[in-house]
Order: sequence, then structure tokens, then C-alpha cells
Amino acid sequence: EVQLQESGPSLVKPSQTLSLTCSVTGDSITSGYWNWIRKFPGNKLEYMGYISYSGSTYYNPSLKSRISITRDTSKNQFYLQLNSVTTEDTATYYCTRYRGNYDYTMDYWGQGTSVTVSS
Amino acid sequence: DIVLIQSPATLSVTPGDSVSLSCRASQSINNNLHWYQQKSHESPRLLIKYSSQSISGIPSRFSGSGSGTDFTLSINSVETEDFGMYFCQQSNRWPLTFGAGTKLELK
Repeated sequence: EVQLQESGPSLVKPSQTLSLTCSVTGDSITSGYWNWIRKFPGNKLEYMGYISYSGSTYYNPSLKSRISITRDTSKNQFYLQLNSVTTEDTATYYCTRYRGNYDYTMDYWGQGTSVTVSS
Repeated sequence: DIVLIQSPATLSVTPGDSVSLSCRASQSINNNLHWYQQKSHESPRLLIKYSSQSISGIPSRFSGSGSGTDFTLSINSVETEDFGMYFCQQSNRWPLTFGAGTKLELK
């Protein structure tokens, strides 16, 4: 069974960097595509980006200047960094997997971690 | 970006009712439309992929249809465990986008 678990601080100050970790068990991050998705208060979901099995990345253009997704294959973890956060970045952050091979559905999700941006 | 409009925003039903949830895309997305269910305090769960393909482990009362810009998720005889939020997601064009959701609640 594939399991994903997000971790990181629940409170970040405005202008600082939000950093989250996704730990994966039951699958290797050297296969498939590993994503970050966030859900704002009020239920809107936003796709943020992915890191692929090969280490290539895609970022939502709405975030492109602020986001970085990296990985550590030895730990089977991938990471999200979001720079210069504002209160608008307050959300629940999910890490997910999609298989690839033309299947772009999120078949596994982490439990989500709530992040509040506030001074 | 492709905008997905879900309707209604809220659907109040009684267990045993059969319901249809709508997702309309701002441009044609072929059959690249997927449905997720999210219950309170849980993560989203994939229900239907590529408009009508069933997912292992999902009850057969859930079904999907549509192509192009108009899609429907149908629940045949709603059960109490079905109450929650339903989201559609498109994968026809990047960035992937989601609808705002339909809340299925107890009448």
C-alpha cells in the first residue's frame, strides 16, 4: 500500500519560506510523478507542481517564481519550498502521486498538513 | 487555465435518493475529467477517472459520463457514507485544475 505523509511547520510568518516534506512508503519516488496540491479555506483546490521519476519538475505558472520542488531518493522523500509567503498561502497542503503513462489522476494522497501564514 | 464549474454548489438529499452532479469545462477537455470525493477530515479519494472509468474499491453506485465540456457524476441511491465534498479535475491541459466542488449534504 502506497502511503504519503506530509510534515513541516504549521505556522509561517509573512515573507518567509514555507518548507514541507512528503515521506513516501510502499513505492519509490524514482517511478511516477509526485505532486503538491493545496486546498484553501473555502475549499478551492490548486495544483502546485510535480517532481517526476527522473527528477524533472513542473510548476504551476501562477507560482513559478516562488516554488521549488526537490527530492532525496535515498530517503524516498520529496519537498516543497514556497518563498515570500503571504496570508494568501494559508491552506492545507497535500502531497500526491500520479502514475504517469498518460494517467494523470491522483491515486494516492497524504493526509494533508495545515499551514497558516501569520505574524 | 481551464476553468471547471461545478453545480450545484450544495445538494441536500435523503439517503436512497439518486443524484447527479455536474462539471462544465471552459473549453473542450475530451474525456480528461476525473472525480474525487472528500469527506470531512479526510483526504480526497479518486472515484472515477477519464469521465467514466471505474476505480477498484469504489462502490458501483458511483458512475460518470460526459465528454467535451459537460460531465456528470451520478450516485445511484445515496448512502449516509456518501455525504461530503465532490470535486472534478481536468488533465487535458496544464496546469491541472479543479472545480470548486459540490457539497452533498443530508436534507
